[in-house]
Amino acid sequence: GQNIDQPTEMTATEGAIVQINCTYQTSGFNGLFWYQQHAGEAPTFLSYNVLDGLEEKGRFSSFLSRSKGYSYLLLKELQMKDSASYLCAVRDHGSGNTGKLIFGQGTTLQVKP
Amino acid sequence: DTGVSQDPRHKITKRGQNVTFRCDPISEHNRLYWYRQTLGQGPEFLTYFQNEAQLEKSRLLSDRFSAERPKGSFSTLEIQRTEQGDSAMYLCASSSAAGGPAAFFGQGTRLTVV
Repeated sequence: GQNIDQPTEMTATEGAIVQINCTYQTSGFNGLFWYQQHAGEAPTFLSYNVLDGLEEKGRFSSFLSRSKGYSYLLLKELQMKDSASYLCAVRDHGSGNTGKLIFGQGTTLQVKP
Repeated sequence: DTGVSQDPRHKITKRGQNVTFRCDPISEHNRLYWYRQTLGQGPEFLTYFQNEAQLEKSRLLSDRFSAERPKGSFSTLEIQRTEQGDSAMYLCASSSAAGGPAAFFGQGTRLTVV
């Protein structure tokens, strides 16, 4: 089966750094994705990891360890607009390689002044 | 083309009525997905199309749900005899099989069944 776990809520201060963790179990791993979703809006793509290591994109970085079934999203220099839900999703090789994503429940990040 | 487009953005319907939602994917994307998202949860996969072929359906998709993508472009999702439990955000996403790993989501259709 597939299972993705991430914390439900986190709070951080403007200007600080926050790390959102995600652990997963899947039968056929084919990539891990992070999406940002503001309330009432569509998820927007942030990052993609398929190999172990760190991917950096401006203020956002994402790390993957396939052997540990673990990823994190690192947000630096937090801004108030970063308050949102952050969704961890895994793409599974199964089912004929459809590319469907299995999502965690999301981590609601609140950035405080 | 500015992205994935969904219509309507909001739909309120009475229990027992039928509803239909439309999704226009990014034009060069041949893969199209429908997901459902309830409050406080991540999106859950419903169904997948590659071009006009519906290649996978989730067990979440009961017999009251049907999806089509007749010409491999836009897609529709119909819910018959709606129930209060169908109230959710219905999200459409598209991606390219050739490259670009990410799926891009539309704004979603928020369905409220009263």
